[in-house]
Parts: sequence; C-alpha cells; structure tokens
Amino acid sequence: GENVEQHPSTLSVQEGDSAVIKCTYSDSASNYFPWYKQELGKRPQLIIDIRSNVGEKKDQRIAVTLNKTAKHFSLHITETQPEDSAVYFCAASGGNNRLAFGKGNQVVVIP
Amino acid sequence: EAGVAQSPRYKIIEKRQSVAFWCNPISGHATLYWYQQILGQGPKLLIQFQNNGVVDDSQLPKDRFSAERLKGVDSTLKIQPAKLEDSAVYLCASSRDRDETQYFGPGTRLLVL
Repeated sequence: GENVEQHPSTLSVQEGDSAVIKCTYSDSASNYFPWYKQELGKRPQLIIDIRSNVGEKKDQRIAVTLNKTAKHFSLHITETQPEDSAVYFCAASGGNNRLAFGKGNQVVVIP
Repeated sequence: EAGVAQSPRYKIIEKRQSVAFWCNPISGHATLYWYQQILGQGPKLLIQFQNNGVVDDSQLPKDRFSAERLKGVDSTLKIQPAKLEDSAVYLCASSRDRDETQYFGPGTRLLVL
C-alpha cells in the first residue's frame, strides 16, 4: 500500500518567515494530495490540496507543489503568523481511493 | 452547512469492555470513513463506506472491531472487547463521493484502562 513520509518532524520559524514541509510517497499511481492542519485537541482541517495533473496550487499565503517524477510534494507557508502553529499532515490517495497520511509535522511560529 | 457530528466526545473504559461510537456525516455525503489516530501519528483508515456498502475494510481488526451504516447515513463503530492499545482518537469523515475532499468530525477520544 501507499507509504507517506514527512520531513522534518518539527519545524520552528520566526513570525513572518516562510515554512516548508516536504512529503514523499511510494505509490506512483497516487493522484490526490491533500494537506490538513490539526490544532491541539481539534479535528484535522483541509487547508489545500492538489491533483496529479497540476504541478502547483496557491491559496493566499499557502501553496503546494508536486513533483510526480520524484514522488514528493511540499507545503509552503509564507509570512507565517502565530495562528499557523499546529500539526500539519500530508496525505496521498492512489488507485484504491484510500487516503494514507504521514505522521505529521509540528510547526511552531515564534512571535 | 452542518459539519460531521460525532458522539461521545470522550470515553473511558476498562480493557475487555465494549464501546460504541456514532457518526452523522454531512448531509448528502455518500462516502463515510472511520479513522484511528494514535497520539503522535496521522489518521489511519479503518473502514470506508459508499452509501451503506463497505468498499474498504482491509485495515479493520475484524476480530474486535465492527462498523455499520445501515441506511446510508449515520454510522456506528464498535470495539468488543477493547484492548489497551485501542486508546486513540476515533475520527469520522465524509465526502460527497469517493476521491473527493474529506471533512472530519471532532473525534471521540477513547482511553482504555
């Protein structure tokens, strides 16, 4: 089955700086890649997603890039704010429509 | 639009007891998912329903876990008997159809003593 890995596990950034989280996946048939943000004790919330026919997608301060050849995709957060502090999960969905999640990245934005 | 609802929010039981969780998906969503999220890890899919039929239960420990979605709307997940390693957050999610955006409920936090 699909195996998704995230790096780094923890990321600390100064407020206003950019944060980048990278994920790799194993199944070349995967075609859907969402990113979820989870604050402590709360539900995962979708922040952005991308499909395999697109290389990049942007929504205000958040962007996702996909490299199908290398089988990795990245989340970019610009002008980070304290409310961006959370755990971010990447996921990949392949031909079996099963969403496989990574272990999560703890992002800490230092005011 | 109301989100995915789950109950109870918290549950504490002793090992070997049974427990049941309930989920009400977003209205009109055909696909319903149950995930297990162990502390410090990402959600892991347990079972996926399309309307009232199971499409993927390959990661469900069927000797102790069961789930149903009888009328294609609400769903229940049961654990019987519970083990210590079942302590986790059980998340329900729904999507309009397969391969579409999944929306998560608040989860049920289970502690098995």
